Amino acid sequence: ETGVTQSPTHLIKTRGQQVTLRCSSQSGHNTVSWYQQALGQGPQFIFQYYREEENGRGNFPPRFSGLQFPNYSSELNVNALELDDSALYLCASSLETVYNEQFFGPGTRLTVL
Amino acid sequence: AQSVTQLDSQVPVFEEAPVELRCNYSSSVSVYLFWYVQYPNQGLQLLLKYLSGSTLVKGINGFEAEFNKSQTSFHLRKPSVHISDTAEYFCAVSGVSNYKLTFGKGTLLTVNP
Repeated sequence: ETGVTQSPTHLIKTRGQQVTLRCSSQSGHNTVSWYQQALGQGPQFIFQYYREEENGRGNFPPRFSGLQFPNYSSELNVNALELDDSALYLCASSLETVYNEQFFGPGTRLTVL
Repeated sequence: AQSVTQLDSQVPVFEEAPVELRCNYSSSVSVYLFWYVQYPNQGLQLLLKYLSGSTLVKGINGFEAEFNKSQTSFHLRKPSVHISDTAEYFCAVSGVSNYKLTFGKGTLLTVNP
């Protein structure tokens, strides 16, 4: 059974640029959630996708957007990058939206200069 | 809405000593509770979870936690720690009918020889 994978591992961007992060769900999981973990903090919920639709959103601006594909993989897009967007971005997959045992990927470390 | 407070940001202990990492939560609805561990430069791994039933929950690597509804606590314990337990530990909560995990800020457990 393949776990959750994320790409790239590390990424460096400059302020104002756009970035796309990718996530492949654990086999059989149909729900993907994205979290932002700033240095020294716990992860914060960005949004969740279920059956290719956004199924809830945390306190993040619209320049954070996402997609889920028919194979349940997912993308996180961030436009107009700001310095404070520097963080570890974690993807988590689960079987359903309500039963909350989420399995996390290793994350993508984004640095905005 | 839910919130989580991890009462200690850092806990240093000696190898083979017992340890308790404290977690308190706030919620107006029934909750599920989780402990995750994060090793350096890695994603989150689920240690244990409380969904319902027995308030004493056993997890991986010899960890256990007790759900105390009256004190709104979910403290993590291990009777004898190893050097390899050195990591960041996160307590998380979700409502039983919502989809997002709310994390505490984490407790860095450092096990010294």
